[in-house]
Amino acid sequence: DAGVIQSPRHEVTEMGQEVTLRCKPISGHDYLFWYRQTMMRGLELLIYFNNNVPIDDSGMPEDRFSAKMPNASFSTLKIQPSEPRDSAVYFCASSFSPGDHYGYTFGSGTRLTVV
Amino acid sequence: AQSVSQHNHHVILSEAASLELGCNYSYGGTVNLFWYVQYPGQHLQLLLKYFSGDPLVKGIKGFEAEFIKSKFSFNLRKPSVQWSDTAEYFCAVNGDSSYKLIFGSGTRLLVRP
Repeated sequence: DAGVIQSPRHEVTEMGQEVTLRCKPISGHDYLFWYRQTMMRGLELLIYFNNNVPIDDSGMPEDRFSAKMPNASFSTLKIQPSEPRDSAVYFCASSFSPGDHYGYTFGSGTRLTVV
Repeated sequence: AQSVSQHNHHVILSEAASLELGCNYSYGGTVNLFWYVQYPGQHLQLLLKYFSGDPLVKGIKGFEAEFIKSKFSFNLRKPSVQWSDTAEYFCAVNGDSSYKLIFGSGTRLLVRP
């Protein structure tokens, strides 16, 4: 398995533009997580899905952020409109159902810069 | 609510020195505990985990951690660090009723050759 695949690796965009981050979880994993990492706030859980259904989105900062998982092999995190304070590394992770003793598997992340 | 505290934000060691990174958590029920490592510019990788049984767990690359329930701690140790251990280390916890993994703020380790 190629692991959790995220795209793009780097994204630079202007304030006000729409940004879409993509994630392909490991095949067979039931859970998918979106995290944001910044120097100031560390790793923050934004939202997670179970069997493609959003379970907890309490970490999503505001309405400008939305996430979808249309099928078991694909998820998107969208920011519209983007702002400079959204600049961060966004990680996607996936895992088996509860009882999994392997923890999460993380993707390589998308480094977003909003100018 | 669950929380994780890593009190050492930056640690600098020379090669061959021993390492211990502190991690304390706040949660009243059964917990699962993890240590992840993030090498510069890379994603998080699992070092080791504790679910039950022997409180002393061994992970990859010579790392180990000890779960002390009475102290709500899960400290990471390595007897002799190498330059290649330079990275950021994250402690994480999830409770048995939640699948959310809560991370500590991380400890940046610099190992000098």
